[in-house]
This record gives sequence, C-alpha cells and structure tokens, in this order.
Amino acid sequence: GAVVSQHPSWVICKSGTSVKIECRSLDFQATTMFWYRQFPKQSLMLMATSNEGSKATYEQGVEKDKFLINHASLTLSTLTVTSAHPEDSSFYICSARRQGVSYEQYFGPGTRLTVT
Amino acid sequence: AQTVTQSQPEMSVQEAETVTLSCTYDTSESNYYLFWYKQPPSRQMILVIRQEAYKQQNATENRFSVNFQKAAKSFSLKISDSQLGDTAMYFCAFMKLHGSSNTGKLIFGQGTTLQVKP
Repeated sequence: GAVVSQHPSWVICKSGTSVKIECRSLDFQATTMFWYRQFPKQSLMLMATSNEGSKATYEQGVEKDKFLINHASLTLSTLTVTSAHPEDSSFYICSARRQGVSYEQYFGPGTRLTVT
Repeated sequence: AQTVTQSQPEMSVQEAETVTLSCTYDTSESNYYLFWYKQPPSRQMILVIRQEAYKQQNATENRFSVNFQKAAKSFSLKISDSQLGDTAMYFCAFMKLHGSSNTGKLIFGQGTTLQVKP
C-alpha cells in the first residue's frame, strides 16, 4: 500500500505555455501533499505544502503565481507551471502524508519537465 | 532554522563490504524524526530507515543501521554487505514535530552518491 503516482512522467512544452502535473495517492487519503523540485545531482528543494481544501503554503523564494498548486481532494494535488521558461526545466517530485500518520511521506516517481 | 549536512558528495564501496554515510544536523528542537532516503537511478525516493529522536536505541532495517548521537547531532547510516542494487544517491532528512500539528516538512541534506563496485 501507500502508492503515489504522478502524471505525466515527462513532458516537453514550449516557452510561454502552461503545464499541469498531477499527484495522486492511490490507496490512501492524504491530508497533506508536498511539491519538490530537484536539479540533476542535487537535493530536493521543497516548493510548497498543500493541504486539502486550503491554500498552499509556499517556501520563501518560490513564486506562487508561477507555480499554482491545487489540492482539491484527499487524493489529488496538482502543480501548474504557468508561462513556463527554459529555467523552469527540472524534475518535480510530489509526496503525500497519510491521514493520521504524522511522520511518513510517500513519494511519487517524479515528472521531468523540459521547456524549449 | 534546521539544517542538515552531508559532507561526503561521493563514496564508493566494494560489493559485500561495509560503508558508512555521514550526516549531521542542527536544531533546537527536542522532538523530531530523522530519515535516510535512497534515490536510485530511477529517481524514485525510497525510505531506508527512520529514527525517532526520543528513542535511544539505534534503528535497524536488515543490512541498514544507524548510529544516532543526539548530543552530537549526528546520524550516520551503515550499509553492511553492500549490494550492487545499493548504488544510489542517499539523502539524510530531518522532520520536526509540533505535537499534533506536525507540519510534516522534510529538510534534506545535500545527498551522497554511493557507487557499489563489483
């Protein structure tokens, strides 16, 4: 159990367009989901925390108008990169915290975004 | 603010040997969790081991064990009988607790790339 999926696994888009990435908890309810960004051979950088039914909390330096996060249900959170530019190219990973379990996060397989 | 430091960017070990990855952290919190995650070439994050700060006993999961030194704020990972499948990037991570309102945020170290050689 405790499987998290992400869709798409990779996406290529043109500069100036928007792209949406979905994160789903398949077999559990997730009260909190987290979005990370990872550059090659580097660590995970937390972008934002999303709680079901409320606005996301963004980390310092992350543009909330550029990275729109929606957590509409206990099993789905979406990250929309608006007006994408080549510098937004990265690996985006989501994780989900199971309802009632405080300490464990389950990670999705990640989405590779390339902006041309 | 909490910080996590992994001072070994890269390490290598021969198959079947033992290797220890280092991690130090800085916090003023007394209640927290520490984790080691593995990220193989597939880039899927996998939990290796978890340690609760209030427990003095070091956590163990099969070939993986930790040396948790709370006073020194040190949390090293020992991999015994290394296998080729252990080749991955390893991240040390910290999570603080706020009682029932735990934010669940993980703070990651820079990572250590481990190569297991045949």
